[in-house]
Amino acid sequence: QQQVKQSPQSLIVQKGGISIINCAYENTAFDYFPWYQQFPGKGPALLIAIRPDVSEKKEGRFTISFNKSAKQFSLHIMDSQPGDSATYFCAGGYSTLTFGKGTMLLVSP
Amino acid sequence: NAGVTQTPKFQVLKTGQSMTLQCAQDMNHEYMSWYRQDPGMGLRLIHYSVGAGITDQGEVPNGYNVSRSTTEDFPLRLLSAAPSQTSVYFCASSYGLKAYNEQFFGPGTRLTVL
Repeated sequence: QQQVKQSPQSLIVQKGGISIINCAYENTAFDYFPWYQQFPGKGPALLIAIRPDVSEKKEGRFTISFNKSAKQFSLHIMDSQPGDSATYFCAGGYSTLTFGKGTMLLVSP
Repeated sequence: NAGVTQTPKFQVLKTGQSMTLQCAQDMNHEYMSWYRQDPGMGLRLIHYSVGAGITDQGEVPNGYNVSRSTTEDFPLRLLSAAPSQTSVYFCASSYGLKAYNEQFFGPGTRLTVL
């Protein structure tokens, strides 16, 4: 099975801190790596995504770092806010997406 | 645009009953898919479709049937519900099958099988 392994399972960060979620993939054919954000009772929504030909992508407080040789990528949330409290899923694919198991982030006020 | 809509929001079934989860999108997307979300298991692909009349299996297709008669609709059928099918089901759509096409998710259907 083509897996995307995500850690940690849950994360508590103080307001203003940096949240870091890590993912690792196995299939070197994957050419697209999105992160989805899901609030309770809602469907996931695309947050940010990266292709393997770049090492970093930044959108506002959200940054993806990508290490192609290690087959790893991570999401960094700078200046974390209580409104960022949600479940985050990393994914990889070239046609259908394979999702990680998710990280529940709680940003304490 | 309503985006991706799903009905019902909640459903309780008894073991062996059948039901259809409805999904519709108004974005003229060719690609539609069904996922199930279970605690600690993430999102797992059940079935997907790349256009009317074309469907294929995902990671966990057993116990589920799909069909795609129109671009807009992609219903998911449980023929004989089992407790293992208790889950939250999400429908998603995107412009095309390629992974770089953003997937738009519906609000989900929470299904309990007793």
